[in-house]
Amino acid sequence: QVQLQESGPGLVKPSETLSLTCTVSGGSISSYYWSWIRQPPGKGLEWIGYIYYTGSTHYNPSLKSRVTISVDTSKNQFSLRLSSVTAADTAVYYCARDLGLDTYHAMGVWGQGTTVTVSS
Amino acid sequence: QSALTQPASVSGSPGQSITISCTGTSSDVGGNNHVSWYQQLPGKAPKLMIYDVSNRPSGVSSRFSGSKSGNTASLTISGLQTEDEADYYCSSYRSSTTVVFGGGTKLAVL
Repeated sequence: QVQLQESGPGLVKPSETLSLTCTVSGGSISSYYWSWIRQPPGKGLEWIGYIYYTGSTHYNPSLKSRVTISVDTSKNQFSLRLSSVTAADTAVYYCARDLGLDTYHAMGVWGQGTTVTVSS
Repeated sequence: QSALTQPASVSGSPGQSITISCTGTSSDVGGNNHVSWYQQLPGKAPKLMIYDVSNRPSGVSSRFSGSKSGNTASLTISGLQTEDEADYYCSSYRSSTTVVFGGGTKLAVL
């Protein structure tokens, strides 16, 4: 049973870079698509981007200039970097995995989420 | 990018059926069959309930069903139960590269 766990600082200062890691256990990262999604307090879900284990990525156009998603197959992890953060980036950040190899980003496995607050 | 359009809230009584709509464009909902639905209980991560318009992952109750007509997808919950009270989100593959979510619908079981 594959499990995902987000980790990283819970507090980031404005204008700095938010960095999170998702560790995959119970399965290999070397297949499937892997995504980051966020949810601001009291608001809906926002897709940030996804990465294939080969390193191929696609990002939300509204965040593309600030987002980098990378994968480390040796550690069975993938990561999110979001630069120049503001208070609007305060959210619960989730990592997720596609349900299957051909389910086109139906996210069937989710981490528990980690809260990131942007504040000085 | 603009979100898919969902009603802010719906409600129903135990045993009834409800339907939640999700309206997009020909670039997303209307342009492919990769629409998903998620249930989010308070304080929890979302759970995939429907994928590819009408398919249920293993373990999801048959009371949940999905459909699509044109640019609008729908989630129907039959035999409503109190534990179905949650937020529901649709999502769609868009322009063959990205993913977009709906704004979410709060379901109240009265």
